[in-house]
Amino acid sequence: GQQVMQIPQYQHVQEGEDFTTYCNSSTTLSNIQWYKQRPGGHPVFLIQLVKSGEVKKQKRLTFQFGEAKKNSSLHITATQTTDVGTYFCAGPYTGTASKLTFGTGTRLQVTL
Amino acid sequence: DGGITQSPKYLFRKEGQNVTLSCEQNLNHDAMYWYRQDPGQGLRLIYYSQIVNDFQKGDIAEGYSVSREKKESFPLTVTSAQKNPTAFYLCASSYGAAYNEKLFFGSGTQLSVL
Repeated sequence: GQQVMQIPQYQHVQEGEDFTTYCNSSTTLSNIQWYKQRPGGHPVFLIQLVKSGEVKKQKRLTFQFGEAKKNSSLHITATQTTDVGTYFCAGPYTGTASKLTFGTGTRLQVTL
Repeated sequence: DGGITQSPKYLFRKEGQNVTLSCEQNLNHDAMYWYRQDPGQGLRLIYYSQIVNDFQKGDIAEGYSVSREKKESFPLTVTSAQKNPTAFYLCASSYGAAYNEKLFFGSGTQLSVL
């Protein structure tokens, strides 16, 4: 079955440092979505990428979709304590509408 | 405020007991989903429904059951056949069932076994 892996599983940075999480799918994805889950909270949609090689920015967050549409990355510039949480990528099940396979997640801890 | 409401926030199950988790949405979304989250793991799909009176199994449906009698409601029953039910359960919905729909999540129910 379709698998979506993320690395690293956990990262601890000091405030101001950059952070990157990588997402790799075993199959080609029609699109990829990113979600953030704060500690004790629920996942919240951040962004969707659709095109091969697409890059989108949201303030300090940069999202990229690979040329082969099998991988993606999220880069945070100059992390802040508000960035703390777990970041998940998710891609649609092959050939099936709107069922998402979620990645294993990367937990980010930011300290002063 | 529009959104998804899950209840209860915490639930305890005794051995051999069935328990039902509630999920209600007022977003007028067609599709609804149940995911299970275990520590250190991603979200795994239990069941999903793309339309009223219809639902399909996800990857880990064994030991669970659902119903979709109303558009707004998608309750999940954790049966006694589910031998390891302790987890965080998340209900979600999307506007439609297209491949590019984003999910809106409820605040979750933490289920523990007594």
